[in-house]
Amino acid sequence: EPEVTQTPSHQVTQMGQEVILRCVPISNHLYFYWYRQILGQKVEFLVSFYNNEISEKSEIFDDQFSVERPDGSNFTLKIRSTKLEDSAMYFCASSVRTQAKHTGELFFGEGSRLTVL
Amino acid sequence: AQTVTQSQPEMSVQEAETVTLSCTYDTSENNYYLFWYKQPPSRQMILVIRQEAYKQQNATENRFSVNFQKAAKSFSLKISDSQLGDTAMYFCAFMKGGNQFYFGTGTSLTVIP
Repeated sequence: EPEVTQTPSHQVTQMGQEVILRCVPISNHLYFYWYRQILGQKVEFLVSFYNNEISEKSEIFDDQFSVERPDGSNFTLKIRSTKLEDSAMYFCASSVRTQAKHTGELFFGEGSRLTVL
Repeated sequence: AQTVTQSQPEMSVQEAETVTLSCTYDTSENNYYLFWYKQPPSRQMILVIRQEAYKQQNATENRFSVNFQKAAKSFSLKISDSQLGDTAMYFCAFMKGGNQFYFGTGTSLTVIP
């Protein structure tokens, strides 16, 4: 069964360093997302991406964040200068949109745990 | 703004018993979707069940069913005949038709053998 894959599973970085989290969405999906979950808190929406551009983003997704689909298969989240509060589990997700309506199902990866020291 | 509240951080249930997980939400929208996602330990979140707000009939998927009370903005998940594999974090989520899902803080369910 196809699934969303994420790498790395865990990354430790120093504050101020750049981090790139990678995701390979399910191949026939059209919408891609990044969510994050700070330990003990709710899963929060960061950004959605469709047709090679951002379609929605939250207030969390500031200028330090960027997303890219560089080669038609990978979907990356870059954090330019990490802060302590960026420590979280980052989930990539993808979905397929029907013509009639959104199916409503997000397919999630297992997450990338980012620890900023 | 849309908010989703899960007031039970942790729950446990005996194997083969029934358990109900609570979820309330707040929205001014009339058309939206509600979901329960399950996240087993060290695994990705997977969809358990989905409810369209315009449908009055409660969704069911095998042992999983919901009690959707639109006026009360309540969306609880009932798991019947609980199995050890049901042990997971359960997230209630809301989507209003765009691309943004709003999640609750989750309920950690443990099924006791």
